[in-house]
Amino acid sequence: QVQLVQSGAEVKRPGSSVTVSCKTSGGIFRSFAINWVRQAPGQGLEWMGGIIPIFGTPIYAQKFQGRVTITADEFTNTAYMELTSLRSEESVVYFCAKSLYYSGSGTPSGGMDVWGQGTTVTVS
Amino acid sequence: QSVLTQPPSVSAASGQRVTISCSGSSSNIGNNFVSWYQQLPGTAPKLLIYDNNKRPSGIPDRFSGSKSGTSATLGITGLQAGDEADYFCGTWDTRLSAYVFGTGTEVTVL
Repeated sequence: QVQLVQSGAEVKRPGSSVTVSCKTSGGIFRSFAINWVRQAPGQGLEWMGGIIPIFGTPIYAQKFQGRVTITADEFTNTAYMELTSLRSEESVVYFCAKSLYYSGSGTPSGGMDVWGQGTTVTVS
Repeated sequence: QSVLTQPPSVSAASGQRVTISCSGSSSNIGNNFVSWYQQLPGTAPKLLIYDNNKRPSGIPDRFSGSKSGTSATLGITGLQAGDEADYFCGTWDTRLSAYVFGTGTEVTVL
């Protein structure tokens, strides 16, 4: 059974960067599609991007292009999301989530069946 | 600003049925599979429906999904107090090259 465990809460200054980790267990990491989704308090879900280690190249939502970097470490079965130039309105919860499947071209298009517990990032 | 539109809230009495709509376009719902997620307060979302109408193991058949054209619908029958949550639709958007979520619907059991 696949499990995703995220790193703990962070407090950051405006303009700084944050890195959130997502350690996986169970399954074959390099065949996973790992997504990063964030949610502001009382708001909806926002997809930031994803990575499929077997393909290597991450894909990012246009909104975050240039500010987000998603990587995957196959030795530790851990995915990472770094977000730079943090703003106060980005005091939100960040989730990692595994897709059920992905397309032949490497897009994480399937539903997300396993989620991390969430990491709260406070920018203040 | 989400490209998938859902009603902000729906409600029904315990034991009754509710449906939640998710409206999109040809670049997302019209040409891709839809999933539905349930999010209880303070928890991570949970996959309820994938590929328009399939339920993951462990999801009761009270939950059902359907899709027609550029819209999708989640149905919940035999509504229970434990179903009070936020529900989101989601799918891939080919034009945006991004996964998109609906605006979310709060379900209240009267």
